[in-house]
Amino acid sequence: GAVVSQHPSRVICKSGTSVKIECRSLDFQATTMFWYRQFPKQSLMLMATSNEGSKATYEQGVEKDKFLINHASLTLSTLTVTSAHPEDSSFYICSARTPGLAAWAEAFFGQGTRLTVV
Amino acid sequence: SQKIEQNSEALNIQEGKTATLTCNYTNYSPAYLQWYRQDPGRGPVFLLLIRENEKEKRKERLKVTFDTTLKQSLFHITASQPADSATYLCALAPTSGTYKYIFGTGTRLKVLA
Repeated sequence: GAVVSQHPSRVICKSGTSVKIECRSLDFQATTMFWYRQFPKQSLMLMATSNEGSKATYEQGVEKDKFLINHASLTLSTLTVTSAHPEDSSFYICSARTPGLAAWAEAFFGQGTRLTVV
Repeated sequence: SQKIEQNSEALNIQEGKTATLTCNYTNYSPAYLQWYRQDPGRGPVFLLLIRENEKEKRKERLKVTFDTTLKQSLFHITASQPADSATYLCALAPTSGTYKYIFGTGTRLKVLA
């Protein structure tokens, strides 16, 4: 199956700083990528849909000024957590789908990024 | 309200037995339902898809059923192995054509040697 690579896998940052997380599709061009966050023992919550060459679409309740998404190329989407606070500590995961496939086709997930804000 | 429920309690079974995990949903009429495996600190990995007009799907030791009347999907692992220990997530597409799947909280399975 397709490979989605996410980097870094773990990051610790100080409160008030910004952190960038990268999501790359390694063997296919992903026109759309999705960003999720997952708290311990909770489900994946969709934060936003990242569209190559256009603005991301954010889910209700997600602050777009805090979680900046850039999808500058067909293989790279980035999520920047700005002015991070301890409550932003979570597991962030990206996913992508092979373009042209039906909505029921499987999603390929990155390895996830464990963000800890101290 | 709309909900997807998976047993939040961990499921411990003996090696060689069949593990059965449940996914119940309310106030959805999903077009598709998927099952994923997630290991600690990793992203989910796709296992199986079942459509609303399908009753059962199989893949090697895995079997998924989909009962739209009961609003339930069951996920079975036969001849379970310790390597099957992981968290299993169900995810449904609330409407046909959407890429925005809704995920359950997952059930943690532990297969004891």
